[in-house]
Parts: sequence; C-alpha cells; structure tokens
Amino acid sequence: QSALTQPPSLSGSPGQSITISCTATSSDVGSFSRVSWYQQPPGTAPKLMIYEVSNRPSGVPDRFSGSKSGNTASLTISGLQAEDEADYYCSSYTSSSTSVFGTGTKVTVL
Amino acid sequence: EVQLVQSGAEVKEPGESLRISCKGSGYSFTAYWISWVRQMPGKGLEWMGRIDPSDSYTNYSPSFQGHVTISADKSISTAYLQWSSLRASDSAMYYCARQRFFCSSTRCLGADFDYWGQGTLVTVSS
Repeated sequence: QSALTQPPSLSGSPGQSITISCTATSSDVGSFSRVSWYQQPPGTAPKLMIYEVSNRPSGVPDRFSGSKSGNTASLTISGLQAEDEADYYCSSYTSSSTSVFGTGTKVTVL
Repeated sequence: EVQLVQSGAEVKEPGESLRISCKGSGYSFTAYWISWVRQMPGKGLEWMGRIDPSDSYTNYSPSFQGHVTISADKSISTAYLQWSSLRASDSAMYYCARQRFFCSSTRCLGADFDYWGQGTLVTVSS
C-alpha cells in the first residue's frame, strides 16, 4: 500500500489542461519538499519530469509544471498533446529514510 | 552523456539464484546513489532499495528487506541486484536509477531519480 495516492486515470482533449494530484496518506512521508514526477509511456523506462516540487530538468517542455499545498503535490500539463499520453508517478522520501512512489495515473489524450 | 546500462533479460526457475547489473558511465559513480525499482506486469513502480556506491551503505524498503541484496563495485561503476532463491512472484521488469540525495546534520535522504536504466526483464517460471 503506497503512502502516496494518485487518481488511477485522467483524460483530456488536445490543448486542454489536466492536473494530477499526489496525496500523502501517511505521516511517514516527508514534508514533500523533494517531491518529483515521472512520465512513463508504454514499454519505456520512466523519465524525470519535475524535481523538488516545481523544477523542470533541461529538455522538459514548460507545459509541465509542479506545485504543492499541504500534503498534496500536483503536476499540471497545460496544452495537452498526444505525446503526453503515458503513466505518471510522483515520488518522495519518507521519514524512515526510504523512498516511495505514488500509485500512478494513466493519462489519456482523447 | 550519463548512461545506466543494465544486463539482459533473464529466464530462471523458482529457487534459482540471480544477479542483474547496472553499469553507470558519464558521471562520477560515487557521487550519486543507485536505486532499484520493480515494476510487475501492468502495475506501478515500487522502490526496492538503494546503495551509496561510495561506501556501499544500503537501505531497503520493508517490502523487499531480506529477499534481495543490493551491492556495488565502484571500481567498475556497477551496481547489482541479487536474489538467492527466486520465486515466481519475482517475475517483473527491474530498473536501476541514479538517485540524487540531500543531507542534514544527522542523515541523508533520497531525492529524485534523474537517470534510469533501460530495464531488465526477469521471468521466473518452472
């Protein structure tokens, strides 16, 4: 049972915006100061999209943005494109010095 | 260019042992942790554990503690994930990932996974 809960699926039309939430369900999860987000298209390895809540690695489009409020972190994809169709996962450290991934969200572009 | 290259797919029988590898290049291998992540067919990502290659200190998820062993040989920039006795339920894709970390005055904690290997598919079947 992951300590980070995400909606199982979300969908949107091209050009729309969607927001994926990541909620800490256990106090074992840290302050969320280092939450990160990963994109995994089918059959490929995950790719880092956001680190330290809201920072984008080089090469990640600025359509992807991250934020947090309390025990919930969010990934927003603005101007949804067909290539954004993938599974998305959040991740954080825990107070027991381990790491944990969220339950994952499947994003479908209609 | 930073790369993590994993060993090839494996097919094993229950009870057999196995070691898979992850070779890093293009960066200082001892400056980052290596984590291992399991993905069972059609399921999500599960963090298994990590190693600090500079001193081989390891930390495991309670879900995997005692069933797998993570090690590293910094002289050849390679990390390993091994099982002494495989189960059918170990069939999955396994990824290694370079993990950044940050330290306070008392401990170090893992942050994001910025580079990933291509994955090693392990199939355990009789």
